[in-house]
Amino acid sequence: GAGVSQTPSNKVTEKGKYVELRCDPISGHTALYWYRQSLGQGPEFLIYFQGTGAADDSGLPNDRFFAVRPEGSVSTLKIQRTERGDSAVYLCASSSGQGVYGYTFGSGTRLTVV
Amino acid sequence: EDKVVQSPLSLVVHEGDTVTLNCSYEVTNFRSLLWYKQEKKAPTFLFMLTSSGIEKKSGRLSSILDKKELFSILNITATQTGDSAVYLCAVDETPDKLIFGTGTRLQVFP
Repeated sequence: GAGVSQTPSNKVTEKGKYVELRCDPISGHTALYWYRQSLGQGPEFLIYFQGTGAADDSGLPNDRFFAVRPEGSVSTLKIQRTERGDSAVYLCASSSGQGVYGYTFGSGTRLTVV
Repeated sequence: EDKVVQSPLSLVVHEGDTVTLNCSYEVTNFRSLLWYKQEKKAPTFLFMLTSSGIEKKSGRLSSILDKKELFSILNITATQTGDSAVYLCAVDETPDKLIFGTGTRLQVFP
C-alpha cells in the first residue's frame, strides 16, 4: 500500500477484555515496529520485527502483550485482560531496511479501556 | 538509563515569531538524532542528524546537533498557524530502536 495502515483507528473496550490491533506495512518493507504513546508522552518502543521474527521485544511491558507477524507483512498486536493503564495510542511503523531513516509511521490506533 | 529530554514542554507564540525547541539526550549507543512533527497521530519525519555542527535546513525549519554537549535544537522562523503541532525528538539506539522525548507542544496563533 501507499502508506502504513492501522486498524481500527479507535477502539473502546471494557477492562478485562482481549483486543487485537492490526498493522499493514508499506509493501516490501521488511522491518516493522510497534510503539505506544500515552497522553502527553512521547512514543515508547514495544517490539521490532525483521521479517517474521521478533528481533527485539524488550519493550513489551508484561506477558499480557504479544505481537505476531506470521507472513512477514501484516502484524497484529494482541493485548489480553486489558487494564485502564493500557489506554494509549498504539503506533506502527515500517522501514525498508534503511534503519530509522526509512521509518514511516501509521496513523495509530487509539485504545481506550473503560 | 537512556533518556531524551525536550524543553519547553509547551510554547504559545504569534504568527511570524521565531521559536527554538531544545532536545538533550543521554544514551549508551548513539547513532543519530531525529526530529518529527506530530499533528494528529502519525509522526512525520523532519530531520535526521548524525554529525555535529552541520545545520540541516528545510524551508523555515532548521536543526543542528552538538554531540559534545549532547543536545540538538530545532528552529522555526516566521511561524505560521500550520506549524502548530507536537514536535518530537528521538535518538536512534542500535538496533533501530528510537527513544523519544515527551515532545514540545507548539501553538501558533494568528
